[in-house]
Amino acid sequence: GENVEQHPSTLSVQEGDSAVIKCTYSDSASNYFPWYKQELGKRPQLIIDIRSNVGEKKDQRIAVTLNKTAKHFSLHITETQPEDSAVYFCAASGTALIFGKGTTLSVSS
Amino acid sequence: DAGITQSPRHKVTETGTPVTLRCHQTENHRYMYWYRQDPGHGLRLIHYSYGVKDTDKGEVSDGYSVSRSKTEDFLLTLESATSSQTSVYFCAISDAYENTIYFGEGSWLTVV
Repeated sequence: GENVEQHPSTLSVQEGDSAVIKCTYSDSASNYFPWYKQELGKRPQLIIDIRSNVGEKKDQRIAVTLNKTAKHFSLHITETQPEDSAVYFCAASGTALIFGKGTTLSVSS
Repeated sequence: DAGITQSPRHKVTETGTPVTLRCHQTENHRYMYWYRQDPGHGLRLIHYSYGVKDTDKGEVSDGYSVSRSKTEDFLLTLESATSSQTSVYFCAISDAYENTIYFGEGSWLTVV
């Protein structure tokens, strides 16, 4: 089945810096790669997703890139703000969505 | 927010007792999922359903069973709860395969 590895597990940046989180997946049949943000005590919520026919997608300060050949995808957050502090999860579509273990992002002002 | 209701939201139970968590949706979505979340492990898929009476195992299905007799309800049962099943359980729904999934608010289960 699908296996998703996510790095780093923790990431600390200064406000205004960029943050990059990377994921790799194992199942070459996966075609859908979402990213979720989870604030403390809340449910995970979708922030951006990408499908296998697209190499890059942007939404304001957030972008995701996908390299299907290498089976990895990344989340890029530019101009980070304190409210970006949360846990971020990547996922890949196996028989159902399989998630990475998460990255705790801390943005200090 | 998607119409997903989990119950109970918080429960403390004793080792060896059966526990059932309920997920109810008002979106008429075909797919429903149960995940558990533990520190250091992220979100792990327990079971999922792709239609009424159609279910399949996920990554960590041992000790859990599910049932879906109606489109709107997906039940997760711990046959005999153990301390290792202390966790936060999230139900999620999706209208199609390889499409956005929406999470419920979570159920906090403590097994003592």
